[in-house]
Amino acid sequence: SQKIEQNSEALNIQEGKTATLTCNYTNYSPAYLQWYRQDPGRGPVFLLLIRENEKEKRKERLKVTFDTTLKQSLFHITASQPADSATYLCALDIGWSFQKLVFGTGTRLLVSP
Amino acid sequence: NAGVTQTPKFQVLKTGQSMTLQCAQDMNHEYMSWYRQDPGMGLRLIHYSVGAGITDQGEVPNGYNVSRSTTEDFPLRLLSAAPSQTSVYFCASSSDPQGQSANEKLFFGSGTQLSVL
Repeated sequence: SQKIEQNSEALNIQEGKTATLTCNYTNYSPAYLQWYRQDPGRGPVFLLLIRENEKEKRKERLKVTFDTTLKQSLFHITASQPADSATYLCALDIGWSFQKLVFGTGTRLLVSP
Repeated sequence: NAGVTQTPKFQVLKTGQSMTLQCAQDMNHEYMSWYRQDPGMGLRLIHYSVGAGITDQGEVPNGYNVSRSTTEDFPLRLLSAAPSQTSVYFCASSSDPQGQSANEKLFFGSGTQLSVL
């Protein structure tokens, strides 16, 4: 069956370190992959999009990689800050339209001062 | 711009009651959608619309109705609420119905927490 896996356990790191979150998928061939941030009681907020022909995308302290052979995306936050604490969701497009955008369950990141 | 506005923020229903979750956006987006979010599960698409007068089913449409009479509004109706519909509901919109532009992304509302007793 088609599945998107993100670590269900929270990731705890110290301020200043690099946080790395993983998104693995099976049985999909996505055209692109997106990452969203979600704070408690709020809706997800778009962060980055990476296409299947792109290996890496950066935005300020954020970096996303996309390995279509491994069927995996890694999401990095460098020089992490307590304000980065949130749940991060990955989403895959499987049909070149939002009606086929499939979300993972998210990984909670906790950055300690 | 207010973005995507959802009302109410919280709602408690009894089994069998009906209600409408409201969603409005002021960004002139063609695409609008409804998701539900449950613990341990990813966001799941309920219904979506690629423009006024056009709606279609997503992954979990049973028990829900939608209509799109204007570009701005996309209400979600629960016809006869069931405990299985207890969830957090999110409305989202995008300027790119097909998600094929360079800047495709979803803008989400802040959600409606619904409990069905």
